[in-house]
Amino acid sequence: DGGITQSPKYLFRKEGQNVTLSCEQNLNHDAMYWYRQDPGQGLRLIYYSQIVNDFQKGDIAEGYSVSREKKESFPLTVTSAQKNPTAFYLCASSIAGTVHEKLFFGSGTQLSVL
Amino acid sequence: GQQVMQIPQYQHVQEGEDFTTYCNSSTTLSNIQWYKQRPGGHPVFLIQLVKSGEVKKQKRLTFQFGEAKKNSSLHITATQTTDVGTYFCAGVQGGSEKLVFGKGTKLTVNP
Repeated sequence: DGGITQSPKYLFRKEGQNVTLSCEQNLNHDAMYWYRQDPGQGLRLIYYSQIVNDFQKGDIAEGYSVSREKKESFPLTVTSAQKNPTAFYLCASSIAGTVHEKLFFGSGTQLSVL
Repeated sequence: GQQVMQIPQYQHVQEGEDFTTYCNSSTTLSNIQWYKQRPGGHPVFLIQLVKSGEVKKQKRLTFQFGEAKKNSSLHITATQTTDVGTYFCAGVQGGSEKLVFGKGTKLTVNP
């Protein structure tokens, strides 16, 4: 079954802690994305990657980091510099990464601060 | 910054009533996409519109792209409880290579 898998579904972060959200896809898509969703808000782009070993900042990259060492994987680290990390994080992919393609989303990770 | 405005933010209807959500941009959009997110779920792609004045239908859902390519709408005829969720538009503003999401319209349907 092809798709995007995000884990964990729920994650709790302590003060000063870095946490990493996992995103794996088996759709053979070149492009992957991380979005942040807050209640009543649209989706805001954190980082995106159109090819392995390359990624670009989105609109709200501060306090986050990513890596793209494999085509299938695009983990997101929420660092201690992100002062308001509580949100629903969505990973997505698209075939080639142009803005005219549809996005396929994972089921999301809800991050909360302890 | 770039914005795609979506209204209303919330809409509550009785089952069987119609529903419409609107997206507006101050600049021309090269394309617009619509997504649906069920409660507790993730966004799922519904459709993409590219041409000026384009109208597309999916069963009870009708999608329109304005003649000036600055606005779009999603209309649901005779809502059902399965239509519950948040509907997002996402557009690419002219000269930009960024897909910008509206804040969504949350639809609740009273059976």
